[in-house]
Amino acid sequence: DAKTTQPNSMESNEEEPVHLPCNHSTISGTDYIHWYRQLPSQGPEYVIHGLTSNVNNRMASLAIAEDRKSSTLILHRATLRDAAVYYCILSTGNTPLVFGKGTRLSVIA
Amino acid sequence: SQTIHQWPATLVQPVGSPLSLECTVEGTSNPNLYWYRQAAGRGLQLLFYSVGIGQISSEVPQNLSASRPQDRQFILSSKKLLLSDSGFYLCAWIGGLNTEAFFGQGTRLTVV
Repeated sequence: DAKTTQPNSMESNEEEPVHLPCNHSTISGTDYIHWYRQLPSQGPEYVIHGLTSNVNNRMASLAIAEDRKSSTLILHRATLRDAAVYYCILSTGNTPLVFGKGTRLSVIA
Repeated sequence: SQTIHQWPATLVQPVGSPLSLECTVEGTSNPNLYWYRQAAGRGLQLLFYSVGIGQISSEVPQNLSASRPQDRQFILSSKKLLLSDSGFYLCAWIGGLNTEAFFGQGTRLTVV
């Protein structure tokens, strides 16, 4: 399976933007980049996904490098409710989502 | 709309007892179904997935088994639980290629 590399943890102040990086240097042409987050004691929640172009939705934005070897999840204004573990995952077609260790985001009031 | 039901929410079972966790999906047909486990302080581990009735793929050899008797039903079982089976069990489904996955609320299993 293609692998991703994320920082173990990050910290942000409330109301400020957060940029969560992900490296995936071995990504294949058919791999989609998925982001999920997991709040304490809950199952993972879908955030966003994309293939080549940058994507925006109500939760976040996904910026994908031109060579697709890295991507960044952008939370435009962090709130305390955004404190979670964020997972960057590569997946093609029907292949199962394989979760790594993710980035634990702490938000400071 | 699509929903996923998983029960029970919490379960305490003695070592050596059997286990049956059920997951059902509504509002979709022929979903891909998944069982994950998250041990305390650890990441999510994929246990089983199924692309159709009676089709089960196992990712990790272990004390557990899975079955899919109906299109929208996925069952996780064990004949004899071990202490190491404790964890947070999550069911998930994906309805199509390269689409988002939906997770259930999870079952927190404690084997004592």
